[in-house]
Amino acid sequence: DQQVKQNSPSLSVQEGRISILNCDYTNSMFDYFLWYKKYPAEGPTFLISISSIKDKNEDGRFTVFLNKSAKHLSLHIVPSQPGDSAVYFCAASLYTGGFKTIFGAGTRLFVKA
Amino acid sequence: ETGVTQTPRHLVMGMTNKKSLKCEQHLGHNAMYWYKQSAKKPLELMFVYSLEERVENNSVPSRFSPECPNSSHLFLHLHTLQPEDSALYLCASSQEGQGGHEQFFGPGTRLTVL
Repeated sequence: DQQVKQNSPSLSVQEGRISILNCDYTNSMFDYFLWYKKYPAEGPTFLISISSIKDKNEDGRFTVFLNKSAKHLSLHIVPSQPGDSAVYFCAASLYTGGFKTIFGAGTRLFVKA
Repeated sequence: ETGVTQTPRHLVMGMTNKKSLKCEQHLGHNAMYWYKQSAKKPLELMFVYSLEERVENNSVPSRFSPECPNSSHLFLHLHTLQPEDSALYLCASSQEGQGGHEQFFGPGTRLTVL
């Protein structure tokens, strides 16, 4: 049973427009949520995170929104740039004697010039 | 070297071989992780070491054996693997106790089992 789900395997957006990537989770005990970005032949790199006590975190062009009642989070990228084309992983974390992080399957974003 | 490094980057092995994957982190972190990424599947956490002690083992088959000799190095010893073990194996590190949960990943080892 997947605790973290990214239901869209891919997303195509025009350069300059907004990209919205979605993620759903099932475990209400998660206390931290993260987004990672992965280019081919590289490991995932941390992008932005949000604590469960917040509902929004912004960092430049990237904003993460958390809706705890719906167990849903989203990543907004605006404006989208061709260099944003990558696979984006949603992750949820809780501390159980060590940080346990559960990842989604990823969404591949294509930003067209 | 900076960040998290992994060697080898690519590995092809037969089912009867024994090989090891190596990970080294140059970030001064106190926790290290092994993940498996199969095609179109989520990253699967395999092992977690915190302060060089194994704290998590997600029911990984015994043909995968981790070793963490110190806080900077992590190994994954492989023996009698199956073709379905072919995947990208990612190592990561993090600093526990500083609030953030973000992990820093290496580039991965692409493993093919014939």
